[in-house]
Amino acid sequence: QVQLVQSGAEVKQPGASVKVACKASGYTFTGYYMHWVRQAPGQGLEWMGWINANSGGANYAQKFQGRVTMTRDTSISTAYMEVNRLRADDTAVYYCARDRDNWGITYWGQGTLVTVSS
Amino acid sequence: QSVLTQPPSASGTPGQRVTISCSGSSSNIGSKTVNWYQKLPGTAPKLLIHTNNQRPSGVPDRFSGSKSGTSASLAISGLQSEDEADYYCAAWDDSLNGVVFGGGTKLTVL
Repeated sequence: QVQLVQSGAEVKQPGASVKVACKASGYTFTGYYMHWVRQAPGQGLEWMGWINANSGGANYAQKFQGRVTMTRDTSISTAYMEVNRLRADDTAVYYCARDRDNWGITYWGQGTLVTVSS
Repeated sequence: QSVLTQPPSASGTPGQRVTISCSGSSSNIGSKTVNWYQKLPGTAPKLLIHTNNQRPSGVPDRFSGSKSGTSASLAISGLQSEDEADYYCAAWDDSLNGVVFGGGTKLTVL
């Protein structure tokens, strides 16, 4: 079965960077794109972008272009999402997620809480 | 504000039928399929409806989806206390070249 297991919670200072990992299992990692979605406290779901796990090419939501980088390591079936120049309003739970065929986003990681505070 | 528009709240009593709307445009709902997600506090979103009106295995048939033009709806019949959650619609947007979500609807079971 498809499983996406994310790295643990992080506390960062403003201006720092954070890198969240998402280890995939139960399917061929390079066969699917990996999405990243976040939810700030009291807010809704926000799509950040996706990475083609095969080619490594990424597509970012305009809001995150230049500050977010999505990468992957196919040897360990793991996708990464890095946010630079963190601000307090980047405090959120970050999810990795995968499509299922033409269903759209179907499978989700458990989420990683990133807290930005001085 | 979100690209897809949902009412912030909805409510119903046990056994009732409630409907949650999701309004978009020609670049998203009008030309793409809609998904619905259930979000409980502290847990990852769960796919309820995909491709406008299809239920994944394991989702009760009390949940149904529909789409017409640039709007979509999620209906929950036979409301149960366990249905109290946040519900989100989502679709691909050709203009933004990405996935867009509604702002979410908090469903309260009275």
